[in-house]
Amino acid sequence: TQLLEQSPQFLSIQEGENLTVYCNSSSVFSSLQWYRQEPGEGPVLLVTVVTGGEVKKLKRLTFQFGDARKDSSLHITAAQPGDTGLYLCAGGDAGNMLTFGGGTRLMVKP
Amino acid sequence: SQTIHQWPATLVQPVGSPLSLECTVEGTSNPNLYWYRQAAGRGLQLLFYSVGIGQISSEVPQNLSASRPQDRQFILSSKKLLLSDSGFYLCAWSPHLTTGNETQYFGPGTRLLVL
Repeated sequence: TQLLEQSPQFLSIQEGENLTVYCNSSSVFSSLQWYRQEPGEGPVLLVTVVTGGEVKKLKRLTFQFGDARKDSSLHITAAQPGDTGLYLCAGGDAGNMLTFGGGTRLMVKP
Repeated sequence: SQTIHQWPATLVQPVGSPLSLECTVEGTSNPNLYWYRQAAGRGLQLLFYSVGIGQISSEVPQNLSASRPQDRQFILSSKKLLLSDSGFYLCAWSPHLTTGNETQYFGPGTRLLVL
């Protein structure tokens, strides 16, 4: 059974601060996806990384896939209140099944 | 463009009553379809997935069942709800032909409260 450990579970920071969310596993994944979810809504894809060591940037968000494709990180620079939400990582296998991490609930205070 | 719908958005049901949640996808053919359950503020647990009409795979034994009567329709059911069935149910779809890197696209979810 593949497991994804996401940390931290909760994060409360002030506007302008930087933060990093981690997603770790002992399993190798063919892809790693990051989603953001608002309360009462479905998750929305932020990015997919597929190559070991790959780095993708989306405005103030930087995503990295570990060299061994077992872990990933999400770094947010100068967080804003609009970044508040639940961040979910998910590892994909060859059959397009996703294993989700437990989520990181981020609150950015103005 | 593709869209995915779920209804109802919210449901309050008594223990022991039946359940039927519906998910439909528009704008694509022969998608893979998925049902997930999410505890409050936590990750998603895969319940069922389907690669075609009438083809259902169950990931966890439980009080629920799924059916796919049409290509783009996925239904989650129960004959008798339990208190533990309360949660946020999400339907998702992905393209059928996959490389292992395909995104899953989620519906808006159904919040179920069993009293």
